[in-house]
Amino acid sequence: GAVVSQHPSRVICKSGTSVKIECRSLDFQATTMFWYRQFPKQSLMLMATSNEGSKATYEQGVEKDKFLINHASLTLSTLTVTSAHPEDSSFYICSARDRQGALETQYFGPGTRLLVL
Amino acid sequence: TQLLEQSPQFLSIQEGENLTVYCNSSSVFSSLQWYRQEPGEGPVLLVTVVTGGEVKKLKRLTFQFGDARKDSSLHITAAQPGDTGLYLCAGWGSGNTGKLIFGQGTTLQVKP
Repeated sequence: GAVVSQHPSRVICKSGTSVKIECRSLDFQATTMFWYRQFPKQSLMLMATSNEGSKATYEQGVEKDKFLINHASLTLSTLTVTSAHPEDSSFYICSARDRQGALETQYFGPGTRLLVL
Repeated sequence: TQLLEQSPQFLSIQEGENLTVYCNSSSVFSSLQWYRQEPGEGPVLLVTVVTGGEVKKLKRLTFQFGDARKDSSLHITAAQPGDTGLYLCAGWGSGNTGKLIFGQGTTLQVKP
């Protein structure tokens, strides 16, 4: 299956700093990538849809100025958590959509554990 | 709004038992995907079902897509501790929203 990488896998930062998370599709081009947040033992919560070459589409309740998304190329999307606070601590997962003819499949990265102190 | 209702949400069984996880909706999905996620990792795609009535097998896992493409099930035979994890069903939203809709997830614990 297709591979999506995410970096870093874990990050600890101080409150008020910004953290950038990278998501790469390694063996396919992805015009659309997605960013999710996940709380323990819960399903994934979509934060935003990242479109290559255009602005991201944010879900209701997600602050676009706090969670900056850049999809600069067909294989890279970044999520920057600006002025991070302890409540931003979470597991962030990206995914990339691969389209093969009429079949669409979404592949997920391994996730980034963010801890804000 | 399209929803996927997944049940049960929590399941704790002994090694060797069988189990079934259900994913139901009132909406039609063009395809449904099943993922398995282990703690601290991203979801891993297990299977995609596309055709109504389709049955796919992956070793001890059997996936079925309902005839009307509104529901799906995952059956595990002779569960093993290595099957422990969070199982998620997901389907693409209609109306070209481009968003993958997830069920609530089923946390499975298989005790040795």
